[in-house]
Amino acid sequence: QQQVKQSPQSLIVQKGGISIINCAYENTAFDYFPWYQQFPGKGPALLIAIRPDVSEKKEGRFTISFNKSAKQFSLHIMDSQPGDSATYFCAASRRDTGFQKLVFGTGTRLLVSP
Amino acid sequence: ETGVTQTPRHLVMGMTNKKSLKCEQHLGHNAMYWYKQSAKKPLELMFVYNFKEQTENNSVPSRFSPECPNSSHLFLHLHTLQPEDSALYLCASSQMRQGGEQYFGPGTRLTVT
Repeated sequence: QQQVKQSPQSLIVQKGGISIINCAYENTAFDYFPWYQQFPGKGPALLIAIRPDVSEKKEGRFTISFNKSAKQFSLHIMDSQPGDSATYFCAASRRDTGFQKLVFGTGTRLLVSP
Repeated sequence: ETGVTQTPRHLVMGMTNKKSLKCEQHLGHNAMYWYKQSAKKPLELMFVYNFKEQTENNSVPSRFSPECPNSSHLFLHLHTLQPEDSALYLCASSQMRQGGEQYFGPGTRLTVT
């Protein structure tokens, strides 16, 4: 049973456009929702994260929108650049464990065309 | 070296071979993780070590054997693997506390022939 569903699987956006990736989760005990960015040949790197007490978090061109009642969260990349071309993973975890037991989505491969 | 390093970066092994993957973290963290990344599948948590003690084993087959001699080093010993074990194996580390972010290494690309 996949606990975090991510869509789309792949995305092509023109330079300067908005990239939107969506995730839905099932476990209402999740209370931490990070997004990871992975370039070829590299491990995933934390991009931005949100906790359910806020509905939106913005860091530069990256914004997470969170809808607790719908159990959905999304990543918006404004003014997308070719350097943003990478695979993006959403994840979710609970904070009651000492470590983050992250449950990942299947990833979205983003290509930003010049 | 900085961050989390993994060696080797690529490994090809036969089903009867024994090999080991190595991970080293230079971040002063006290928790280390092994993940498996397969194409079109979510990253799968395999093992978690907290202060050298294994605290999580996510029903991983015994042909994968982790070892954590200290809080900076983590190994994954491999023996009699199957072709379906071919994947990218990622190591991560974090501080063992609520909200401790995980930092990933670049991974070892394993191919089992």
